[in-house]
Amino acid sequence: GAVVSQHPSRVICKSGTSVKIECRSLDFQATTMFWYRQFPKQSLMLMATSNEGSKATYEQGVEKDKFLINHASLTLSTLTVTSAHPEDSSFYICSASGTGAFYGEQYFGPGTRLTVT
Amino acid sequence: GENVEQHPSTLSVQEGDSAVIKCTYSDSASNYFPWYKQELGKGPQLIIDIRSNVGEKKDQRIAVTLNKTAKHFSLHITETQPEDSAVYFCAATLSGGSYIPTFGRGTSLIVHP
Repeated sequence: GAVVSQHPSRVICKSGTSVKIECRSLDFQATTMFWYRQFPKQSLMLMATSNEGSKATYEQGVEKDKFLINHASLTLSTLTVTSAHPEDSSFYICSASGTGAFYGEQYFGPGTRLTVT
Repeated sequence: GENVEQHPSTLSVQEGDSAVIKCTYSDSASNYFPWYKQELGKGPQLIIDIRSNVGEKKDQRIAVTLNKTAKHFSLHITETQPEDSAVYFCAATLSGGSYIPTFGRGTSLIVHP
């Protein structure tokens, strides 16, 4: 149990375009989803936390208008990188936590490698 | 807020040797300490965790120890194998609520066959 998927696993886009990354909890209801960003050889940096049906809470320094997060259902959250630029190239990882047996733990997705050319 | 320091940043061992990774944390209120293994190009996977009411926990070749007084915890891997090669992250958090862990900077473990 507690499987989280991400799609796509890799994406290359041109500067100025927008990219959407999906995060799904496959076998549990994710009441809270998290989005992280990871640069090469660095730790995970929390970007935002989202609760189903509510607006996301962004960490300090993360532009909410650039990184749009939607958590419309208990199994799906999306991160849209708007007007992407080369400096947005990174490894984006989502995680999810739920209720009951899935409470109090974050289950991570496999990550999405974004390259902006 | 919480601050987690992790050492070493890189650890190279021979197959069969033991590996130890150490972390310290700053917030005495933290009571949950998970360890994650991240293979290249993949997301982190929980490998073991420990809560503040115990001092040690083992799972086959992996063990974690916690010293709440000194605010440090360690990961011990015995009889290392090449497939143990990965980046390991420690984390500290207050369990319950939204559970947002503070991660260490990671340790790149290389096990040479």
